[in-house]
Amino acid sequence: EAQVTQNPRYLITVTGKKLTVTCSQNMNHEYMSWYRQDPGLGLRQIYYSMNVEVTDKGDVPEGYKVSRKEKRNFPLILESPSPNQTSLYFCASSPIAGVQTGELFFGEGSRLTVL
Amino acid sequence: AQSVAQPEDQVNVAEGNPLTVKCTYSVSGNPYLFWYVQYPNRGLQFLLKYITGDNLVKGSYGFEAEFNKSQTSFHLKKPSALVSDSALYFCAVRDVTGDSNYQLIWGAGTKLIIKP
Repeated sequence: EAQVTQNPRYLITVTGKKLTVTCSQNMNHEYMSWYRQDPGLGLRQIYYSMNVEVTDKGDVPEGYKVSRKEKRNFPLILESPSPNQTSLYFCASSPIAGVQTGELFFGEGSRLTVL
Repeated sequence: AQSVAQPEDQVNVAEGNPLTVKCTYSVSGNPYLFWYVQYPNRGLQFLLKYITGDNLVKGSYGFEAEFNKSQTSFHLKKPSALVSDSALYFCAVRDVTGDSNYQLIWGAGTKLIIKP
């Protein structure tokens, strides 16, 4: 089954404790992206990657890191999480043609709480 | 500044009645327009898009959307609502002029509640 898989789905952590949210897609998509969803703000892009070893900042990259060593994986790293990073996070992927037309495939989300 | 507005936080509709979820945008040029749906505890799913051509586009689950260039709107519609249509709906726009890096500009979302 074609899918974007995120782990963990739910996480409660404390300020300053490094964490990684993994994202993996099995559709051989070139493009991958991370979003955060906050009430009343819609989706805001954190980082995106057009292909392996190519990453770029989105609208809200502060406090986050990403890497794209393999085509299928695009982990989101919070080196020192803070309470303002409490949010619902989504990973998305698309073939390049889909990026140009805006059709993205989303994971089911990771709800992160930072105490 | 480029933006997408979904003026209603919540829309309530009785099952069987027509529904409309509103979206207006402020983007230069001729944008691509999209609707996504998010069911509870799920990721977003693509519903439909407008790129060019007929102003009325049809998508998944019986939804359609009407592009109105003069009003810069892209309202989502369905002739007869189902309880299973209850979800969070997002409008998104991609600016195809300039260097947008393929980014989508998202609305804040509208919660659609269909009552039996």
